[in-house]
Amino acid sequence: DQQVKQNSPSLSVQEGRISILNCDYTNSMFDYFLWYKKYPAEGPTFLISISSIKDKNEDGRFTVFLNKSAKHLSLHIVPSQPGDSAVYFCAAKSGQGGSEKLVFGKGTKLTVNP
Amino acid sequence: EAGVAQSPRYKIIEKRQSVAFWCNPISGHATLYWYQQILGQGPKLLIQFQNNGVVDDSQLPKDRFSAERLKGVDSTLKIQPAKLEDSAVYLCASSYRRDSLYYGYTFGSGTRLTVV
Repeated sequence: DQQVKQNSPSLSVQEGRISILNCDYTNSMFDYFLWYKKYPAEGPTFLISISSIKDKNEDGRFTVFLNKSAKHLSLHIVPSQPGDSAVYFCAAKSGQGGSEKLVFGKGTKLTVNP
Repeated sequence: EAGVAQSPRYKIIEKRQSVAFWCNPISGHATLYWYQQILGQGPKLLIQFQNNGVVDDSQLPKDRFSAERLKGVDSTLKIQPAKLEDSAVYLCASSYRRDSLYYGYTFGSGTRLTVV
């Protein structure tokens, strides 16, 4: 049973345009959400996060939006650059005080075309 | 600061053989995680250490997988005997303190295991 779902395995956009990556979750106990970026043959690297008490967090070209009622979050990249081409994983945290656990989606492969 | 080091980068073994992976976390990072990433899927937590104690190993197949973290620093993950379905990338990650999870923790480059 997948608690974190990224339904688009891949996304292709033109350089300079907006990239929107989507993530849905089922567990209402998740209280923190993170996006990781992964290049081939490297480990995932943290990109941006958002607490469940917020609906938006922005960091430069990257913005994450959270819609708790819909159990949906999205990552916006504006403007997209060829170097953004990577696999993006959505992750959600549950538990506290030593029992935290991150659950990852299957990832979305983003390709930004020059 | 140096990143999370993992070795080997690649390993090919036959089924029923044993294999071990090594992880050296970022200096001072108390929390260490081992994840398994099967092709086309997201990383799945296998085991979490806080210093040299196990915090969560609920998803570790204990009949064949074992892990230890000696002296709260380096860690090894072992599979014995390996099965074909163990083919995956094994990722190690570390974080300084538990609440640094909120900022994401640091992954190593992983060990790609192929079981034939």
